[in-house]
Amino acid sequence: QLQLQESGPGLVKPLETLSLTCSVSGDSISNSNYYWGWVRQPPGKGLEWIGSLYSGGRTSYNPSLKSRVTISLDTSQNQFSLKMASVTAADTAVYYCARHEPPIPGFGGVMGLDPWGQGTLVTVSS
Amino acid sequence: EIVMTQSPATLSVSPGERVTLSCRASQIVNSNLAWYQQKPGQAPRLLIYGASTRATGIPARFSGSGSGTDFSLTISNVQSEDYAVYHCHQYHNWPGWTFGQGTKVEIK
Repeated sequence: QLQLQESGPGLVKPLETLSLTCSVSGDSISNSNYYWGWVRQPPGKGLEWIGSLYSGGRTSYNPSLKSRVTISLDTSQNQFSLKMASVTAADTAVYYCARHEPPIPGFGGVMGLDPWGQGTLVTVSS
Repeated sequence: EIVMTQSPATLSVSPGERVTLSCRASQIVNSNLAWYQQKPGQAPRLLIYGASTRATGIPARFSGSGSGTDFSLTISNVQSEDYAVYHCHQYHNWPGWTFGQGTKVEIK
């Protein structure tokens, strides 16, 4: 059974870099034909897609966050990571990792985000 | 950016009733829409994709419909475990996926 688990610091200072890792069990990231993504949810608010990484290393990011975000793969640990630079209080959120099929622009090609990790709360504060 | 608008923000429903949630896209997304259920302190769970296809293990009382810009999620015979927040998600525009702000289904 595929399982995802987020980990990383729960508190980050303003203007520093947020770093999170998603550990995957039940599937090999490098051998699968899937994308591995990050989604966040500020307290009491809706969901926001951050970006996704293909098993071959190709990445795609939310245009509104693209300048600050990097998603990368660590095949030796079967993990993928999120780095977000220059964080502010507006980046305080629960961060989730999730899997999805390769998108086909204009045609979907995806069957939703599934499964999700349990999420980890990151607070940006001095 | 495709803006997803869900209505209403909150629905008060008695157990056993039928409820319909709405989601509207600011641009055509064909049937490239998913619905998720989220309970307090938990991650979202995929319910519906392709606007109307139930995900694995999702009870038949959940049904989705719509295409283009207008979509709905119907829960027939609401059960106690169905009280949650429901999110819609368009995956038509890549890489510009967006979600609605959520509809909370609460006990009446």
